[in-house]
Amino acid sequence: QSALTQPPSVSGSPGQSVAISCTGTNSDIGRYNRVSWYQQPPGTAPKLMIYDVSNRPSGVPDRFSGSKSGNTASLTISGLQAEDEADYYCSSYANNNSYVVFGGGTKLTVL
Amino acid sequence: QMQLVQSGAEVKKPGASVKISCKASGDTFTSHYVHWVRQAPGQGLEWMGIVNPTTGSATYAQKFQGRVTMTSDTSTSTVYMDLRSLRSEDTAMYYCARDYCSGVGCYTYWYFDLWGRGTLVTVSS
Repeated sequence: QSALTQPPSVSGSPGQSVAISCTGTNSDIGRYNRVSWYQQPPGTAPKLMIYDVSNRPSGVPDRFSGSKSGNTASLTISGLQAEDEADYYCSSYANNNSYVVFGGGTKLTVL
Repeated sequence: QMQLVQSGAEVKKPGASVKISCKASGDTFTSHYVHWVRQAPGQGLEWMGIVNPTTGSATYAQKFQGRVTMTSDTSTSTVYMDLRSLRSEDTAMYYCARDYCSGVGCYTYWYFDLWGRGTLVTVSS
């Protein structure tokens, strides 16, 4: 069982927007801004999409955005494209002996 | 452009050990701490630990304490992850990943901007 809770799946049509939630506790997401999101297409390594809640690394389209409220972080993908179809994982620093906790992953299907 | 090149797939019997390598090329090896993250088949990501490539000092997730050792060899720009007393639940893809934080005095931001392609470890009798 993962420390952070994500919906198992979300879907949307091309051009639409989808949001993926990630719920933690006041020991991780609620306490720290070291929240990140990763995209993982099948058979590949994860790719950093968002860091420090809402920042995008160079090269990540601005269609990807992140936010946080209380113990819940969210990743929003606007203007969905077929290439966005992948698994998405949230992560947070945690002040326990795990240090880094992940969500269970959300499978995004572009209809 | 830095790359992380991992060693090849391994098949081990329960109780054995496995040592995976992660060689950095194309950038200053000691500029970034390196993490190890694993992913069981069809499952999510799990953080295992972090190693300082300059000193070899490492910090491990409590779950793996006593069973894992992460080391570094600056002469070959390679970090290693050694996992002992393997069991079937250790069957997974093991990734090394570079910390986003870089430069002198920077420790870790706890997120990862460059990943190796992964090393599949299969534990089976």
